[in-house]
Amino acid sequence: GQQLNQSPQSMFIQEGEDVSMNCTSSSIFNTWLWYKQDPGEGPVLLIALYKAGELTSNGRLTAQFGITRKDSFLNISASIPSDVGIYFCAGLTTSGSARQLTFGSGTQLTVLP
Amino acid sequence: DADVTQTPRNRITKTGKRIMLECSQTKGHDRMYWYRQDPGLGLRLIYYSFDVKDINKGEISDGYSVSRQAQAKFSLSLESAIPNQTALYFCATSDFGRGRETQYFGPGTRLLVL
Repeated sequence: GQQLNQSPQSMFIQEGEDVSMNCTSSSIFNTWLWYKQDPGEGPVLLIALYKAGELTSNGRLTAQFGITRKDSFLNISASIPSDVGIYFCAGLTTSGSARQLTFGSGTQLTVLP
Repeated sequence: DADVTQTPRNRITKTGKRIMLECSQTKGHDRMYWYRQDPGLGLRLIYYSFDVKDINKGEISDGYSVSRQAQAKFSLSLESAIPNQTALYFCATSDFGRGRETQYFGPGTRLLVL
């Protein structure tokens, strides 16, 4: 099956620092999605990317869909305490009516005051 | 009100019992999904449905069944629960327009099988 390699697995950063995380795969995806999950909650969509090379921002978050369609990164600028959580990438492939959303294993972000 | 709701939020059951997890959505989406999440892992797809008459197996469907009772309702059943089905279960819905799809998740159901 398809696999996504998400890195890093965890990060400890100081408040105000920038953060970068990425996902890579040997498979090609049509869509890349980035989610944040807080403890005890479902993933919440942060950014959706639909085209290779696309660079999209959502406030302090910026994500890019890699040109090869096999990778994506998420940057968070000027981190704040509420950025704490687990960030997941997800790649979507479609083939006719079949579709599969594959998730990375997550990046646990801790923001230190 | 939440767009995607799941009941129950927490459930403890015993091995061999049949249980049902329910999902409802008010987003008007045709597509619905069930995932499970295990500690340290991402979400894995169990079943998905594109409309009321459509049911498809996902990556890990063994031991599970689903029912799409209406556009807004998609339930997941464990016919005979076993301990390794202890996990966090998420329902999701998606819209699909102009070739673009985005999935929205419910709050999750935490299931413990003893």
